[in-house]
Amino acid sequence: DAGVIQSPRHEVTEMGQEVTLRCKPISGHNSLFWYRQTMMRGLELLIYFNNNVPIDDSGMPEDRFSAKMPNASFSTLKIQPSEPRDSAVYFCASSRPASGVATNEKLFFGSGTQLSVL
Amino acid sequence: RKEVEQDPGPFNVPEGATVAFNCTYSNSASQSFFWYRQDCRKEPKLLMSVYSSGNEDGRFTAQLNRASQYISLLIRDSKLSDSATYLCVVNMYQAGTALIFGKGTTLSVSS
Repeated sequence: DAGVIQSPRHEVTEMGQEVTLRCKPISGHNSLFWYRQTMMRGLELLIYFNNNVPIDDSGMPEDRFSAKMPNASFSTLKIQPSEPRDSAVYFCASSRPASGVATNEKLFFGSGTQLSVL
Repeated sequence: RKEVEQDPGPFNVPEGATVAFNCTYSNSASQSFFWYRQDCRKEPKLLMSVYSSGNEDGRFTAQLNRASQYISLLIRDSKLSDSATYLCVVNMYQAGTALIFGKGTTLSVSS
């Protein structure tokens, strides 16, 4: 089975440019999460979707960040304009919620996108 | 106060040692607890869930103390391959909340 697929693996861009990160969740998983990881702040939840609907975007740093999930097999995280402080590893993860309780159990992570904004 | 706090380490131990990691969480309504493992430059992967009664998986033992809002992970007979960062993870049963990760504790096992 294919796991969570993220692209690109590495992205180097200049300040002010638009960056689009892509994610394909595991088939059958109906929750999708975007996390950002830095040395200083660890893994931070940016946004998560359930059945393609954004449920909690309180972690999105500012209006420069936006995320979409047009269908069950694809999501994007866009940064426009990008800034050097956006440099981090961005992980996408998916899960299949446990039945009966609105908790998210095992997360399957993609390999991440290493973003460097110069 | 941060939602999930861990001692960052690093913990440097010899092979065969027993090592314990601790984690505290701030929200008493939290319902689910996990330990994830992250190798250098890799994605996090689930190590084990943490149940109220405590649970064991081979050399790994996880415990939960709800009254103190405290989770622990014990690794016995450490192996070189245990070297990684261990992330404490908490979920709160509330609409709109997903898994919250601690910053992780780094373990280095040497021969």
